Amino acid sequence: DVVMTQTPLSLSVTPGQPASISCKSSQSLLHSDGKTYLYWYLQKPGQSPQLLIYEVSNRFSGVPDRFSGSGSGTDFTLKISRVEAEDVGVYYCMQSVQLPGSFGQGTKVEIK
Amino acid sequence: EVQLVESGGGVVQPGGSLRLSCAASGFSFDDYTMYWVRQVPGKGLEWVSLISWDGATTFTADSVKGRFTISRDSSKNSLYLQMNSLRSEDTALYYCAKDGRWIAGVAQGGDFFDYWGQGALVTVSS
Repeated sequence: DVVMTQTPLSLSVTPGQPASISCKSSQSLLHSDGKTYLYWYLQKPGQSPQLLIYEVSNRFSGVPDRFSGSGSGTDFTLKISRVEAEDVGVYYCMQSVQLPGSFGQGTKVEIK
Repeated sequence: EVQLVESGGGVVQPGGSLRLSCAASGFSFDDYTMYWVRQVPGKGLEWVSLISWDGATTFTADSVKGRFTISRDSSKNSLYLQMNSLRSEDTALYYCAKDGRWIAGVAQGGDFFDYWGQGALVTVSS
């Protein structure tokens, strides 16, 4: 199975400042079809996870453009250009290059 | 508006059974692979099972294989998870989730969840 490792596990950010989360996979997420199957989710307190980014860098419908994803192969990054209060929660990366898909441990983001 | 509403959670003794349901609305249920994902309270997320849009293909995680069975009923726009021989480690919030891809192949990579239900809590305890 593919193991996903996120760093850091927690992050305290001043509103308006940037934030960055790293996600590394135990094997390449580049599929034979040429796509890279890496996703980012945010689970706000008391809520179900919500999709932010699909296939490394594509924002899902309604996701603010302060969120961006990048990376390739086994190394990926989620960046928030200017953190807002509503961005608090736990961020998860997920791979689905092979079944079963798997999530990172999560990165808890809080506001200073 | 896409809605996924889970039901059937509860407290069950070790070795017992439970059946979760997920009522789907706001999209063409027959066109999408559906999934169960679980989360131990306060912990991370784990894929449990999936069933293809046509019901022909299923996948179940090793941790529950042989004990959990996924199914769907297009006439009721519903997804199910039959859970047998429950263990304490199965205690979790079980989410129903919809594939983000339309009529997609299964076991070909690229699965992702664009909508999730609110979850059904399963507690296995004596």
